Amino acid sequence: AQTVTQSQPEMSVQEAETVTLSCTYDTSENNYYLFWYKQPPSRQMILVIRQEAYKQQNATENRFSVNFQKAAKSFSLKISDSQLGDTAMYFCAFRPGTYKYIFGTGTRLKVLA
Amino acid sequence: GAVVSQHPSWVICKSGTSVKIECRSLDFQATTMFWYRQFPKQSLMLMATSNEGSKATYEQGVEKDKFLINHASLTLSTLTVTSAHPEDSSFYICSARDWTAPEKDTQYFGPGTRLTVL
Repeated sequence: AQTVTQSQPEMSVQEAETVTLSCTYDTSENNYYLFWYKQPPSRQMILVIRQEAYKQQNATENRFSVNFQKAAKSFSLKISDSQLGDTAMYFCAFRPGTYKYIFGTGTRLKVLA
Repeated sequence: GAVVSQHPSWVICKSGTSVKIECRSLDFQATTMFWYRQFPKQSLMLMATSNEGSKATYEQGVEKDKFLINHASLTLSTLTVTSAHPEDSSFYICSARDWTAPEKDTQYFGPGTRLTVL
């Protein structure tokens, strides 16, 4: 079975500091996509970053970057210069050959002033 | 771009009534939309995949007769919760895929609908 594991239920970080959220997945497929979504208190799911498995280069979006280790099936999210607005639930999602997503259980991130 | 809306944002209904939730892709065409359910402080659970012009594909354990899905156009999918009961109270989220976009693998999410059944 294909699974996504987020082992950190909750994390906190001081404003302006850097934090890394972990995500591991299990699959036998070679081509797939990985995503990080943010769900703030409004509960609107917002795409943070996406990674194509066939690309070795790690994706970056401004303060957000990933460390994609395909062999280890690891996809961590690094948030640099954390801001109060980054406080949210973060979900890692894996999209195998079909178009369905498999979500992790989420990491609740709190940015402290 | 890639905006998805949902209506209503919240609804309260009496037990036994039916409730319809709409999901619209505002600036793109979506041949495929997805319906999720999210319980408090939990992850998203995929209920069904909605395909324009054909029957929806339901995930295991989801009652198709209870959660009716219609995807009548390229921009609209509806979820009808029939004969709702308190245990159907939840947060329902839809998403849509822009099949014409280079990043056609990406799902864009609506803001969700909070359903409370009394």
